[in-house]
Amino acid sequence: DTGVSQNPRHKITKRGQNVTFRCDPISEHNRLYWYRQTLGQGPEFLTYFQNEAQLEKSRLLSDRFSAERPKGSFSTLEIQRTEQGDSAMYLCASSRQKYTDTQYFGPGTRLTVL
Amino acid sequence: AQSVTQLGSHVSVSEGALVLLRCNYSSSVPPYLFWYVQYPNQGLQLLLKYTSAATLVKGINGFEAEFKKSETSFHLTKPSAHMSDAAEYFCAVSEGGGSNYKLTFGKGTLLTVNP
Repeated sequence: DTGVSQNPRHKITKRGQNVTFRCDPISEHNRLYWYRQTLGQGPEFLTYFQNEAQLEKSRLLSDRFSAERPKGSFSTLEIQRTEQGDSAMYLCASSRQKYTDTQYFGPGTRLTVL
Repeated sequence: AQSVTQLGSHVSVSEGALVLLRCNYSSSVPPYLFWYVQYPNQGLQLLLKYTSAATLVKGINGFEAEFKKSETSFHLTKPSAHMSDAAEYFCAVSEGGGSNYKLTFGKGTLLTVNP
């Protein structure tokens, strides 16, 4: 396994702009998770996909946030009209269905909203 | 709802000393429990996990943790700290048994190892 990859690793944007992050899970992992981690806190669950279906969204995921996994492989997380409070590390994790209790994390995308 | 409490946001030990990082959880169903480590500007790496088998779990890099149901605890230990252990450690819980297995994390404990 080559590991979970995320791009970009860093993103600096101005308030009000839209940003999109990409996550490539480990090959053949059919479950994909997004988490958000702010400074001094543990990661918080945002949403999860099984294959291409988005099965759960946290109340943290406001209407400005949208996530997709169109072909059940990579996923994108878009934030529209960014706010300074969106500044955080966005982490992606994937797991196999057979071993659903172990999530493997990517390196994260650090977003800074000016 | 599930939750995790990590006692001590910062733990400092000397190289060679015992490492003890505390974690207490709350879960309405039998939990799966995890310890992850995070190095600066990196993602999370799994150290070990408890999934209802042996209560004493051994992980990577010499770490181990013991699940104590009566105390709702899952403390992480290592007999002898190494400089390379300096990092942030997160305890997490998920509810198995057919759920989505989303993880609920504690706030983390920053481990400092002094020479």
